[in-house]
Amino acid sequence: EAGVAQSPRYKIIEKRQSVAFWCNPISGHATLYWYQQILGQGPKLLIQFQNNGVVDDSQLPKDRFSAERLKGVDSTLKIQPAKLEDSAVYLCASSPGRYGRGDQAFFGQGTRLTVV
Amino acid sequence: EDKVVQSPLSLVVHEGDTVTLNCSYEVTNFRSLLWYKQEKKAPTFLFMLTSSGIEKKSGRLSSILDKKELFSILNITATQTGDSAIYLCAVGEYGNKLVFGAGTILRVKS
Repeated sequence: EAGVAQSPRYKIIEKRQSVAFWCNPISGHATLYWYQQILGQGPKLLIQFQNNGVVDDSQLPKDRFSAERLKGVDSTLKIQPAKLEDSAVYLCASSPGRYGRGDQAFFGQGTRLTVV
Repeated sequence: EDKVVQSPLSLVVHEGDTVTLNCSYEVTNFRSLLWYKQEKKAPTFLFMLTSSGIEKKSGRLSSILDKKELFSILNITATQTGDSAIYLCAVGEYGNKLVFGAGTILRVKS
């Protein structure tokens, strides 16, 4: 079974530039998560999709971050414009999404973003 | 606000030691507690616990959940240098929400 695919693996940009990350979840997984992990901290949920609908985006800085999951499969996360404090690893995860089952999430390799 | 607290934040032990990592939680709609190991970037799944008092084991690792006291522990016996990693605790809630703690950084010295 193929895992969660993310690209790019690394990205360095200047502040105020824009950047986009891509995620392809495990086939058939209904739930897709984007997490931000700053060095020394645990993953913080940015947005959660169930199929192509948003379940939770309460911690997404909507003035600069946006995400979409067209057709309920792969997803993109965009930052525009980037700030220095956005430097982090961005993790995408997916789970089967059987409501109420508390399924485990499977993680991609992440994208390490450095904003200079 | 949902909260998952892990302790200690970091730990250094020698090979062969036994370690216990702690995770306490306060969440609205608890469904499960999960442990992950993070060595580089991608957290990898260790255990999912849904019932109190039932120990889950995998080799030298084991974990147990106490839903009355709202905590879980992860034990690692006979530690090896390959156990060095960040151990993440997460709570799964209704609607497949996953809330993570800050993690415990474990370093095993040879």
